[in-house]
Amino acid sequence: GAVVSQHPSRVICKSGTSVKIECRSLDFQATTMFWYRQFPKKSLMLMATSNEGSKATYEQGVEKDKFLINHASLTLSTLTVTSAHPEDSSFYICSARELNGGIADTQYFGPGTRLTVL
Amino acid sequence: QQQVKQSPQSLIVQKGGISIINCAYENTAFDYFPWYQQFPGKGPALLIAIRPDVSEKKEGRFTISFNKSAKQFSLHIMDSQPGDSATYFCAATIQGAQKLVFGQGTRLTINP
Repeated sequence: GAVVSQHPSRVICKSGTSVKIECRSLDFQATTMFWYRQFPKKSLMLMATSNEGSKATYEQGVEKDKFLINHASLTLSTLTVTSAHPEDSSFYICSARELNGGIADTQYFGPGTRLTVL
Repeated sequence: QQQVKQSPQSLIVQKGGISIINCAYENTAFDYFPWYQQFPGKGPALLIAIRPDVSEKKEGRFTISFNKSAKQFSLHIMDSQPGDSATYFCAATIQGAQKLVFGQGTRLTINP
Protein backbone atom coordinates (compact mmCIF):
# COMPACT_ATOMS: atom_id res chain seq x y z
CA GLY A 1 0.00 0.00 0.00
CA ALA A 2 0.83 3.73 0.18
CA VAL A 3 1.89 4.18 -3.41
CA VAL A 4 2.45 7.61 -4.91
CA SER A 5 2.90 8.08 -8.63
CA GLN A 6 4.24 10.99 -10.65
CA HIS A 7 3.83 11.81 -14.30
CA PRO A 8 5.81 12.38 -16.37
CA SER A 9 8.96 10.73 -15.06
CA ARG A 10 11.10 12.78 -17.39
CA VAL A 11 10.41 15.91 -19.42
CA ILE A 12 12.50 18.08 -21.68
CA CYS A 13 11.15 21.45 -22.71
CA LYS A 14 12.24 24.67 -24.34
CA SER A 15 12.91 27.79 -22.33
CA GLY A 16 9.78 29.89 -21.89
CA THR A 17 7.30 27.04 -21.99
CA SER A 18 5.23 25.70 -19.09
CA VAL A 19 5.39 22.18 -17.75
CA LYS A 20 2.81 20.38 -15.61
CA ILE A 21 3.75 17.54 -13.27
CA GLU A 22 1.08 15.33 -11.72
CA CYS A 23 1.27 13.62 -8.36
CA ARG A 24 -1.26 10.94 -7.45
CA SER A 25 -1.81 8.85 -4.33
CA LEU A 26 -2.93 5.53 -5.78
CA ASP A 27 -4.28 3.61 -2.82
CA PHE A 28 -5.00 6.16 -0.14
CA GLN A 29 -6.44 9.62 0.30
CA ALA A 30 -4.09 12.46 1.02
CA THR A 31 -5.33 15.76 2.43
CA THR A 32 -1.79 17.04 2.28
CA MET A 33 0.79 16.71 -0.45
CA PHE A 34 4.24 18.20 -0.58
CA TRP A 35 6.47 19.28 -3.43
CA TYR A 36 10.22 19.05 -3.16
CA ARG A 37 13.12 19.95 -5.36
CA GLN A 38 16.37 18.05 -5.26
CA PHE A 39 19.66 19.08 -6.80
CA PRO A 40 22.31 16.45 -7.65
CA LYS A 41 23.85 14.88 -4.56
CA LYS A 42 21.85 17.17 -2.30
CA SER A 43 19.05 16.77 0.18
CA LEU A 44 15.40 17.44 -0.53
CA MET A 45 14.29 21.06 -0.43
CA LEU A 46 10.65 21.61 0.43
CA MET A 47 9.00 23.99 -2.02
CA ALA A 48 5.41 24.01 -0.87
CA THR A 49 2.73 22.26 1.12
CA SER A 50 -0.50 21.58 -0.71
CA ASN A 51 -3.78 21.01 1.10
CA GLU A 52 -6.80 19.69 -0.75
CA GLY A 53 -9.25 22.44 -1.61
CA SER A 54 -7.11 25.32 -0.40
CA LYS A 55 -4.19 27.40 -1.53
CA ALA A 56 -0.72 25.98 -1.24
CA THR A 57 1.72 27.25 1.36
CA TYR A 58 5.06 28.13 -0.17
CA GLU A 59 8.42 28.04 1.55
CA GLN A 60 10.44 31.20 1.79
CA GLY A 61 12.20 32.01 -1.45
CA VAL A 62 9.91 29.92 -3.66
CA GLU A 63 8.09 31.98 -6.28
CA LYS A 64 4.42 31.04 -6.10
CA ASP A 65 3.68 32.63 -9.47
CA LYS A 66 6.33 30.51 -11.09
CA PHE A 67 5.52 27.23 -9.39
CA LEU A 68 1.75 26.89 -9.50
CA ILE A 69 0.31 24.18 -7.30
CA ASN A 70 -3.20 22.81 -7.45
CA HIS A 71 -4.63 20.15 -5.15
CA ALA A 72 -8.05 19.56 -6.62
CA SER A 73 -8.84 16.21 -5.06
CA LEU A 74 -7.73 13.91 -2.26
CA THR A 75 -5.61 11.91 -4.68
CA LEU A 76 -4.19 14.48 -7.10
CA SER A 77 -1.89 17.46 -6.86
CA THR A 78 -0.22 19.21 -9.79
CA LEU A 79 2.85 21.40 -10.03
CA THR A 80 3.11 23.70 -13.03
CA VAL A 81 6.45 25.31 -13.76
CA THR A 82 5.56 28.43 -15.71
CA SER A 83 7.87 30.10 -18.20
CA ALA A 84 10.56 27.56 -17.45
CA HIS A 85 14.21 28.53 -17.68
CA PRO A 86 17.36 26.39 -17.61
CA GLU A 87 17.88 27.17 -13.93
CA ASP A 88 14.56 25.42 -13.23
CA SER A 89 16.09 22.15 -14.42
CA SER A 90 16.00 19.80 -11.46
CA PHE A 91 14.51 16.66 -9.96
CA TYR A 92 11.03 17.39 -8.60
CA ILE A 93 9.54 14.99 -6.08
CA CYS A 94 6.12 14.97 -4.51
CA SER A 95 5.01 13.24 -1.34
CA ALA A 96 1.63 12.53 0.17
CA ARG A 97 0.57 12.32 3.79
CA GLU A 98 -1.88 9.54 4.47
CA LEU A 99 -5.28 10.61 5.80
CA ASN A 100 -6.18 9.03 9.15
CA GLY A 101 -4.25 5.93 8.37
CA GLY A 102 -0.96 4.20 8.99
CA ILE A 103 1.54 5.96 11.16
CA ALA A 104 0.73 9.59 11.72
CA ASP A 105 2.90 11.99 9.76
CA THR A 106 4.23 9.34 7.42
CA GLN A 107 5.00 10.84 4.06
CA TYR A 108 5.16 8.58 1.03
CA PHE A 109 7.19 9.84 -1.88
CA GLY A 110 6.64 9.63 -5.60
CA PRO A 111 9.36 8.43 -7.97
CA GLY A 112 10.26 11.95 -9.04
CA THR A 113 10.22 13.92 -12.29
CA ARG A 114 13.41 14.95 -14.03
CA LEU A 115 12.89 18.33 -15.69
CA THR A 116 15.39 19.58 -18.23
CA VAL A 117 14.89 23.04 -19.69
CA LEU A 118 16.87 23.75 -22.84
CA GLN B 1 17.14 24.96 15.68
CA GLN B 2 15.16 23.34 12.90
CA GLN B 3 18.20 21.63 11.45
CA VAL B 4 19.00 17.95 11.46
CA LYS B 5 22.71 17.25 11.07
CA GLN B 6 23.64 13.98 9.41
CA SER B 7 27.01 12.28 9.19
CA PRO B 8 29.01 10.97 7.51
CA GLN B 9 28.42 12.48 4.09
CA SER B 10 29.65 9.30 2.45
CA LEU B 11 30.41 5.83 3.74
CA ILE B 12 32.04 2.75 2.26
CA VAL B 13 31.47 -0.60 3.95
CA GLN B 14 32.48 -4.10 2.99
CA LYS B 15 29.80 -6.65 2.26
CA GLY B 16 28.63 -8.27 5.47
CA GLY B 17 29.74 -5.36 7.61
CA ILE B 18 27.70 -2.94 9.72
CA SER B 19 26.83 0.46 8.27
CA ILE B 20 26.19 3.23 10.79
CA ILE B 21 24.75 6.64 9.96
CA ASN B 22 24.24 9.28 12.62
CA CYS B 23 21.89 12.23 13.00
CA ALA B 24 21.60 14.96 15.59
CA TYR B 25 18.90 17.52 16.20
CA GLU B 26 18.34 20.56 18.40
CA ASN B 27 14.58 21.00 18.51
CA THR B 28 13.30 19.00 21.47
CA ALA B 29 9.77 19.30 20.12
CA PHE B 30 10.56 16.83 17.34
CA ASP B 31 8.69 13.61 18.08
CA TYR B 32 8.88 11.48 14.96
CA PHE B 33 12.08 10.39 13.23
CA PRO B 34 11.91 8.51 9.91
CA TRP B 35 14.72 7.25 7.74
CA TYR B 36 14.45 7.23 3.96
CA GLN B 37 16.42 5.28 1.36
CA GLN B 38 16.89 6.76 -2.09
CA PHE B 39 18.32 5.10 -5.17
CA PRO B 40 19.64 7.23 -8.06
CA GLY B 41 16.86 8.73 -10.15
CA LYS B 42 14.15 7.54 -7.74
CA GLY B 43 12.12 9.09 -4.99
CA PRO B 44 12.92 8.40 -1.32
CA ALA B 45 11.31 5.33 0.22
CA LEU B 46 10.42 5.09 3.90
CA LEU B 47 12.73 2.59 5.52
CA ILE B 48 12.02 2.70 9.24
CA ALA B 49 10.84 5.26 11.77
CA ILE B 50 10.93 5.76 15.52
CA ARG B 51 9.25 7.86 18.18
CA PRO B 52 11.17 9.19 21.21
CA ASP B 53 9.34 6.96 23.69
CA VAL B 54 11.53 4.01 22.66
CA SER B 55 15.30 3.74 22.49
CA GLU B 56 15.54 1.22 19.70
CA LYS B 57 13.50 -0.16 16.85
CA LYS B 58 14.49 -3.06 14.66
CA GLU B 59 13.08 -4.17 11.33
CA GLY B 60 15.01 -6.96 9.70
CA ARG B 61 18.60 -5.84 9.15
CA PHE B 62 17.75 -2.20 9.91
CA THR B 63 17.84 -0.77 13.43
CA ILE B 64 17.28 2.74 14.70
CA SER B 65 18.94 3.66 17.97
CA PHE B 66 17.57 6.74 19.69
CA ASN B 67 19.20 8.75 22.48
CA LYS B 68 16.73 11.37 23.68
CA SER B 69 19.05 13.03 26.19
CA ALA B 70 21.79 13.46 23.60
CA LYS B 71 19.28 14.40 20.90
CA GLN B 72 20.81 11.89 18.56
CA PHE B 73 19.59 8.94 16.55
CA SER B 74 21.32 6.54 14.26
CA LEU B 75 20.62 3.93 11.60
CA HIS B 76 22.43 0.62 11.74
CA ILE B 77 22.40 -1.72 8.76
CA MET B 78 23.55 -5.19 9.74
CA ASP B 79 25.08 -7.63 7.26
CA SER B 80 25.28 -4.85 4.67
CA GLN B 81 24.72 -5.96 1.08
CA PRO B 82 25.62 -4.37 -2.27
CA GLY B 83 21.89 -3.80 -2.83
CA ASP B 84 21.92 -1.47 0.18
CA SER B 85 24.10 0.95 -1.76
CA ALA B 86 21.99 4.11 -1.87
CA THR B 87 21.64 7.53 -0.29
CA TYR B 88 20.06 7.55 3.15
CA PHE B 89 18.28 10.53 4.67
CA CYS B 90 17.26 10.94 8.27
CA ALA B 91 14.39 13.29 9.02
CA ALA B 92 12.49 14.73 11.94
CA THR B 93 9.11 16.28 12.43
CA ILE B 94 6.62 17.45 15.00
CA GLN B 95 3.42 15.46 14.73
CA GLY B 96 0.72 17.69 13.34
CA ALA B 97 3.20 20.19 11.95
CA GLN B 98 3.39 18.22 8.70
CA LYS B 99 6.81 19.35 7.54
CA LEU B 100 9.73 16.96 7.53
CA VAL B 101 13.18 18.38 8.26
CA PHE B 102 15.75 16.34 6.37
CA GLY B 103 19.37 15.66 7.10
CA GLN B 104 21.97 16.27 4.43
CA GLY B 105 22.07 12.65 3.30
CA THR B 106 24.67 9.89 3.38
CA ARG B 107 25.83 8.13 0.26
CA LEU B 108 26.44 4.52 1.25
CA THR B 109 28.49 2.17 -0.90
CA ILE B 110 28.74 -1.51 -0.05
CA ASN B 111 31.72 -3.16 -1.68
CA PRO B 112 31.25 -6.80 -2.72
